Amino acid sequence: EAGVTQFPSHSVIEKGQTVTLRCDPISGHDNLYWYRRVMGKEIKFLLHFVKESKQDESGMPNNRFLAERTGGTYSTLKVQPAELEDSGVYFCASSQAGVYAYEQYFGPGTRLTVT
Amino acid sequence: AQSVAQPEDQVNVAEGNPLTVKCTYSVSGNPYLFWYVQYPNRGLQFLLKYITGDNLVKGSYGFEAEFNKSQTSFHLKKPSALVSDSALYFCAVRSYYNQGGKLIFGQGTELSVKP
Repeated sequence: EAGVTQFPSHSVIEKGQTVTLRCDPISGHDNLYWYRRVMGKEIKFLLHFVKESKQDESGMPNNRFLAERTGGTYSTLKVQPAELEDSGVYFCASSQAGVYAYEQYFGPGTRLTVT
Repeated sequence: AQSVAQPEDQVNVAEGNPLTVKCTYSVSGNPYLFWYVQYPNRGLQFLLKYITGDNLVKGSYGFEAEFNKSQTSFHLKKPSALVSDSALYFCAVRSYYNQGGKLIFGQGTELSVKP
């Protein structure tokens, strides 16, 4: 079974540019989460999809971040325009539907550097 | 507010010795607790979880963790450390009341096992 995949693995962009991160969850997983780890700090929740619907987006830092999950499969996270403080590692995770005691499976992350 | 504390940024252990990585949490209601490990240039891998039942849970790679409700702790342990256990370890919690499933992470503990 393929795991969670993320693309790209690394991205270096200049302040003010736009970047789009992609996440492909494990097939059949209805729950998809985005997290971010900035500067060696704790991993912080950004948002949660159930299929194509946003269940919880309380962790999104501001309106420069836009997440979508069209068709309930893969998800994209767009940062526009990027700022220096957006640098960090962005993780995507997925889990099975229903009981939220299920563990989340994480992708390898996308390391974003904004210069 | 929900939170997780990993009081040690780094833990150093000699190979063959027992290891403990500490985690304490604060959450409303019953906690669901998780440990994840991140090897260099890899994503987070699920190690083990406590949902209910026996306070001692066993997970992957010989790791185990003990849930202590009175001390609000969930320390990760292994009887005999291996050099290959060297990695970054994250503790995470979710409240039973948080039906969305988002995880609250600690800052991570770097485990270094020397031969």
